[in-house]
Amino acid sequence: EVKLVESGGDLVKPGGSLRLSCAASAFTLSNALMHWVRQAPGEGLEWVGRIDTKANGDTTDYAAPVGGRFFISRDDSENTLSLEMHSLKTEDTAVYFCATELQYCTGVTCHPLRYFDNWGQGTLVTVSS
Amino acid sequence: EIVVTQSPATLSLSPGERATLSCRASHSISTYLGWYQQKPGQAPRLLIYDASIRATGTPGRFSGSGSGTDFTLTISSLEAEDSAVYYCQQRWNWYTFGQGTKLEIK
Repeated sequence: EVKLVESGGDLVKPGGSLRLSCAASAFTLSNALMHWVRQAPGEGLEWVGRIDTKANGDTTDYAAPVGGRFFISRDDSENTLSLEMHSLKTEDTAVYFCATELQYCTGVTCHPLRYFDNWGQGTLVTVSS
Repeated sequence: EIVVTQSPATLSLSPGERATLSCRASHSISTYLGWYQQKPGQAPRLLIYDASIRATGTPGRFSGSGSGTDFTLTISSLEAEDSAVYYCQQRWNWYTFGQGTKLEIK
């Protein structure tokens, strides 16, 4: 069974930095298109960014509010995903979830479908002075 | 950016009743819409994708319909465990979510 476990959430001051991790089990992270999605307290869901598969060059994309401040990477030896966050703002306060992208596979070929099918339990980041 | 708007904000129904949740996109998104269920303290769960395809494990009482800008999630006969917040998400242009509909079971 696919399992994702986030960690690293903490209380950090505005302008500070933080690194979140997402440990994956029962699948190879480098073969999956992975995302970070966040949810501010009592609010809805917001896509943060994604990293493509190793076969597609580990390309990353980010939502406008976090571009240039947040960076997604993968450690294939540890099968973990990371989210590095810099210049944190109070509006970055949220639970951060990592998630896999749903794929449709025929034989050895898989096509991403741009929905999120496996999620971790989330880790809380609080940005406050 | 494609804005996705859900209605109603809150829905309160009894077990056995039919629930109809709506999602409207600011631009046509073909059938590129999904629905998620989120219970308190839990991660979202994908229920429906591409407007009408049930994800693995989604009970048959959940169905989705629509295309273009107007979409519907229908729960045919409510059970107590269906109490949750439901989000829609478009995939036509990156990824944006609606603000959610809170479904309460009386």
